[in-house]
Amino acid sequence: QVQMVESGGGVVQPGGSLRLSCAASGFILSSHGMHWVRQAPGKGLEWVAFLLYDGSDKYYADSVKGRFTISRDNFKNTLYLQMNSLRPEDTAVYYCAKGYCSGDSCYYYDYWGQGTLVTVSS
Amino acid sequence: DIEMTQSPSSVSASVGDRVTITCRASQGISSSLAWYQQKPGKAPKLLISAASSLQTGVPSRFSGTGSGTDFTLTISNLQPEDFATYYCQQANSLPPITFGQGTRLDIK
Repeated sequence: QVQMVESGGGVVQPGGSLRLSCAASGFILSSHGMHWVRQAPGKGLEWVAFLLYDGSDKYYADSVKGRFTISRDNFKNTLYLQMNSLRPEDTAVYYCAKGYCSGDSCYYYDYWGQGTLVTVSS
Repeated sequence: DIEMTQSPSSVSASVGDRVTITCRASQGISSSLAWYQQKPGKAPKLLISAASSLQTGVPSRFSGTGSGTDFTLTISNLQPEDFATYYCQQANSLPPITFGQGTRLDIK
């Protein structure tokens, strides 16, 4: 069955870096658009980044553009989020989410990882 | 950016009640709207896509309607497991994908 397991979260100082991983099983990453979505403590959901199924396009929220990079390793069937120049406002649970097509859009999320907590604090 | 506004932000109801949550988009998004349910400490769960398409395994007491800018999620005959936070999401265009601020459904 479909499963996604995130790892790589932790506590980091402002200005530091982290790389999140999302190991997928039960489906082929390169056949689906993949997203990162985050949720600050006690807050709502915020879309972070998107990688098109064929890897040809990447999109980012303005709040992370130039600092975060989404990528994947097809052999490992793993999605990544490289996060640089971290700020306290990046503190959140980060989820990877599998894109799902319905109607005329493929920007729904039918499977989510369990989330990994990133805390940016000195 | 397409702004999604949910109302109410919180609602209290009893088991067996019917609850309606609304979501308004700042511009037309056709039927490209999803509803998610999130319980504390858990990832969101997709309930409805394309405004009204119920995901496999989701109880039929959940229903969605709307198109353009105005959408509703209705939960009929509330069950104890339905008390959670609900989010709408526009899937019309990115960047960015945007979510509503959430509606917390509590037990009265």
